[in-house]
Amino acid sequence: DAGVTQSPTHLIKTRGQHVTLRCSPISGHKSVSWYQQVLGQGPQFIFQYYEKEERGRGNFPDRFSARQFPNYSSELNVNALLLGDSALYLCASSLLHSNQPQHFGDGTRLSIL
Amino acid sequence: KNEVEQSPQNLTAQEGEFITINCSYSVGISALHWLQQHPGGGIVSLFMLSSGKKKHGRLIATINIQEKHSSLHITASHPRDSAVYICAVNYGGSQGNLIFGKGTKLSVKP
Repeated sequence: DAGVTQSPTHLIKTRGQHVTLRCSPISGHKSVSWYQQVLGQGPQFIFQYYEKEERGRGNFPDRFSARQFPNYSSELNVNALLLGDSALYLCASSLLHSNQPQHFGDGTRLSIL
Repeated sequence: KNEVEQSPQNLTAQEGEFITINCSYSVGISALHWLQQHPGGGIVSLFMLSSGKKKHGRLIATINIQEKHSSLHITASHPRDSAVYICAVNYGGSQGNLIFGKGTKLSVKP
């Protein structure tokens, strides 16, 4: 069975641009969460979607947005990119909303020049 | 303030040594996760526990709810165990997301 897949794996952008990151959860998983991991730090929560509705939002500016599609895949969008947005963006899926084993993708490494 | 603290930050061991990584958290939780992250970035879930102890191969995870503390033990460590080990918690209720510690970087020398 396929695990959580994220695309692209690497991305280079310049300041002010916009980026869209994609995540496909494990088949049957209805919850998708997005995390940002800056080098040397633990991941920080950005969004959680469950059954296509936003269920949680971390302390990130409105430049960050996300959505979940009917097939439970998800997109994370970041507008007006800043140098500080350079990070590994991780997607995790789980069967239900909370207290579930989390399955992580390999991440998208975003570099802002 | 919800915080997850891990210790040590860095750990170097000789192959075969018994390793312990500690995690403490500040408020009540519904579940605690131990995760492993290799240099490429991918994260693998090792354990999810809410009480007691779990064992998988050479890995053992324990949690003490009253003391708000968990430990991850690795017996007979091996160079392939070298990775970053991360503790994360669910605070439950409507909060399905994880709150992560900063991780413990383990290096096992042959």
